[in-house]
Amino acid sequence: KQEVTQIPAALSVPEGENLVLNCSFTDSAIYNLQWFRQDPGKGLTSLLLIQSSQREQTSGRLNASLDKSSGRSTLYIAASQPGDSATYLCAVKTGANNLFFGTGTRLTVIP
Amino acid sequence: GAGVSQSPSNKVTEKGKDVELRCDPISGHTALYWYRQSLGQGLEFLIYFQGNSAPDKSGLPSDRFSAERTGGSVSTLTIQRTQQEDSAVYLCASSIIGTGATTDTQYFGPGTRLTVL
Repeated sequence: KQEVTQIPAALSVPEGENLVLNCSFTDSAIYNLQWFRQDPGKGLTSLLLIQSSQREQTSGRLNASLDKSSGRSTLYIAASQPGDSATYLCAVKTGANNLFFGTGTRLTVIP
Repeated sequence: GAGVSQSPSNKVTEKGKDVELRCDPISGHTALYWYRQSLGQGLEFLIYFQGNSAPDKSGLPSDRFSAERTGGSVSTLTIQRTQQEDSAVYLCASSIIGTGATTDTQYFGPGTRLTVL
């Protein structure tokens, strides 16, 4: 069974810093990997989706990389802002009809 | 356009009662998913619908859980004889293309917070 791990579980940084969130998965046979953010009391918002054939995706200040062979992905956030404070989840899609989620990294950006 | 909507947003019930949770997917999305997020745990897959195919129920934790999708659109998740361990946030998601595709971004609703007393 696919297992997804995210480290660290929580992270606090001062505003303006660049940061990296980590995600690892045990089964490299994936279709894609998605990064989501979840705000308290709300659903998930998709940030980036990387197909299995891709190495990275960028959207604004966000850059996600994928190393499928080693089972790792990173989410890089540049010039962090207080509005970036949220829980960030990574999820991988395998041959099954669902996503396997990590437990998330809770990010706090301090003004 | 409208996103995925879920109702109710919060539900408090007594142990042993039945509850129904509703999901309205994005119009035109053929795939619909239910997930459960328990306190301190990751999202757990429950069930998946794709078009008119038989649903994938492999994630349902017990036979007290069931789901329907009528007319290929709205879905209802039913939990019978609720237990305290059923307390969680239940999230619904939809996507344009289901299994086999590589670009099927899932769009999530805001969830229903279920509390079983």
